[in-house]
Amino acid sequence: EAGVTQFPSHSVIEKGQTVTLRCDPISGHDNLYWYRRVMGKEIKFLLHFVKESKQDESGMPNNRFLAERTGGTYSTLKVQPAELEDSGVYFCASSQGERNNEQFFGPGTRLTVL
Amino acid sequence: AQKVTQAQTEISVVEKEDVTLDCVYETRDTTYYLFWYKQPPSGELVFLIRRNSFDEQNEISGRYSWNFQKSTSSFNFTITASQVVDSAVYFCALTNPTGGNMLTFGGGTRLMVKP
Repeated sequence: EAGVTQFPSHSVIEKGQTVTLRCDPISGHDNLYWYRRVMGKEIKFLLHFVKESKQDESGMPNNRFLAERTGGTYSTLKVQPAELEDSGVYFCASSQGERNNEQFFGPGTRLTVL
Repeated sequence: AQKVTQAQTEISVVEKEDVTLDCVYETRDTTYYLFWYKQPPSGELVFLIRRNSFDEQNEISGRYSWNFQKSTSSFNFTITASQVVDSAVYFCALTNPTGGNMLTFGGGTRLMVKP
């Protein structure tokens, strides 16, 4: 069974540009999470989808970030316009329906904003 | 508010040494879950263990063991007879049933095992 996959693995863009990150969760996992780790800081929660609905988006830093999960399968996280402080590693995780079930993480997307 | 502290940012040991990674947490919830994840050089976060707040039994899995002490709010992780392949960043994390399922992570401990 395929694990959580993320695309691209690396992205280098200039300040002001737009970047879209994609996450494909494990098939059948209704719960999908986005986290990010900016340089030197902890991994921080961004948001949580249950199927196509946003369950919790309290960690989204500002309105330059837009996450979608149309159809309840893969998810995208768009940053528009990107700023220098958005640089970091963006992780996606998925889990089955039960609360506090194990979250399976993808390899992350390393975003560098110049 | 929840918080997880991993005071050791980096540890270096020689192969076959035992090493303990510390994790201290803060939460107002009486029911919560604690996790350890490993991040090898390839980048993904690999689940190691989940422990609920009502189960204070220590757990051993091969060379790995975990010591959960509710009285000191600690969930420490010990690797016995470390190997070079154990080199990675290790993250401790916390979640609670009433706060959704989001993980609160510590800052991570980078473990380097030298041959």
